[in-house]
Amino acid sequence: RKEVEQDPGPFNVPEGATVAFNCTYSNSASQSFFWYRQDCRKEPKLLMSVYSSGNEDGRFTAQLNRASQYISLLIRDSKLSDSATYLCVVIGSGTYKYIFGTGTRLKVLA
Amino acid sequence: DTEVTQTPKHLVMGMTNKKSLKCEQHMGHRAMYWYKQKAKKPPELMFVYSYEKLSINESVPSRFSPECPNSSLLNLHLHALQPEDSALYLCASSQAGSTRQPQHFGDGTRLSIL
Repeated sequence: RKEVEQDPGPFNVPEGATVAFNCTYSNSASQSFFWYRQDCRKEPKLLMSVYSSGNEDGRFTAQLNRASQYISLLIRDSKLSDSATYLCVVIGSGTYKYIFGTGTRLKVLA
Repeated sequence: DTEVTQTPKHLVMGMTNKKSLKCEQHMGHRAMYWYKQKAKKPPELMFVYSYEKLSINESVPSRFSPECPNSSLLNLHLHALQPEDSALYLCASSQAGSTRQPQHFGDGTRLSIL
């Protein structure tokens, strides 16, 4: 089993739709979780950290479910500019090992 | 605008060449990373430096040689690379000594080996 797993997609959704991605992780001792966004041929950019109580930033909501070992990202009112690959990142054993999921590709259609 | 600067943006080299990739950050981060990313794949960790000391080497071939001259700079020296080493090379930094801080990435060097 991979340490961090994501559905690669693509998720094709119309503008204005709500879309959600999940990311599962295998190490129950993991403490820190992040969502990054990566555009084609660009570097990953931090979208948001994921906190235990869940957190929201505008149209984006991140949640953590420790019991089932997954994190989620919800995007409301999708925009064309949201089209990108969304990478889930979990800090594994040791402080500096950031483990990336394979990414979920989102296409928002006009 | 990225706070982690990488040079060059693009590099084409032959298999017998020696070149270096450079990375600089001025955020006061004491952990710096090199990643390799192939198309449609996630970044793959190569090296981690914390407090200017190599703390993780993910069994990277010796044709890649990292160097951390000071807390702001990270280099990756390349020698006798293979065509399969063609990829996007990403540098990242983060605060050290904490498990909760995200990484910040440079915009990468796109490397092509002829």
